[in-house]
Amino acid sequence: EVQVVESGGGLVKPGGSLRLSCAASGFTLTNAWMSWVRQAPGKGLEWVGRIKSKTDGGTIDYAAPVRGRFTISRDDSRNTMYLQMNNLKTEDTGIYYCTRVNYAAFDVWGQGAMVTVSS
Amino acid sequence: QTVVTQEPSLSVSPGRTVTLTCGLTSGSVSPTFYPSWYQQTPGQAPRTLIYNINIRSSGVPDRFSGSILGNKAALTITGAQADDESDYYCVLYMGPGIWVFGGGTRLTVL
Repeated sequence: EVQVVESGGGLVKPGGSLRLSCAASGFTLTNAWMSWVRQAPGKGLEWVGRIKSKTDGGTIDYAAPVRGRFTISRDDSRNTMYLQMNNLKTEDTGIYYCTRVNYAAFDVWGQGAMVTVSS
Repeated sequence: QTVVTQEPSLSVSPGRTVTLTCGLTSGSVSPTFYPSWYQQTPGQAPRTLIYNINIRSSGVPDRFSGSILGNKAALTITGAQADDESDYYCVLYMGPGIWVFGGGTRLTVL
């Protein structure tokens, strides 16, 4: 079964850091483009960033609100993607979903990891 | 800054047809935006319905269809059912390497 599972969420103070993991199974991360999408409490979906497969150059792009603070990376040997979040702000609070990108759409979704930024 | 627009809320009677749209505050949605659609019920992760304008994701009933209508992408539900009551999101690929979600449409079936 093709699936992704997020982990690493939690409570962090403003200005703090957190790293989320996304473990893939049923497919090889090496050949996949992956993204993070988040959702603030009671709000809509927001695209966070995307990492291409190594075979396609491994390019990483970010949404403007997180650029310079968040870093996406991957460890293909572990079939895992990461989201390093630094200098967190209260507005970063929400559920973070790991997704696979296919045909410029998000075709596999995890159940999400909750991140709460609060003092 | 271009914003992706969706109707905040719509309602439909069971068995009837409803069309949700996805537009831009500036310009028209074309195939190069690769519009896709997602369904989300409270407390659940989104579910992919349609990608690349009109391709149904695996397991999605054929009462869901996608298209481009005029200057917008559209999701049509033909013969709405009670369990179609959900939030629906579109996303557009703004390129290069940037996606923007619409604000979502809350669909009520009553």
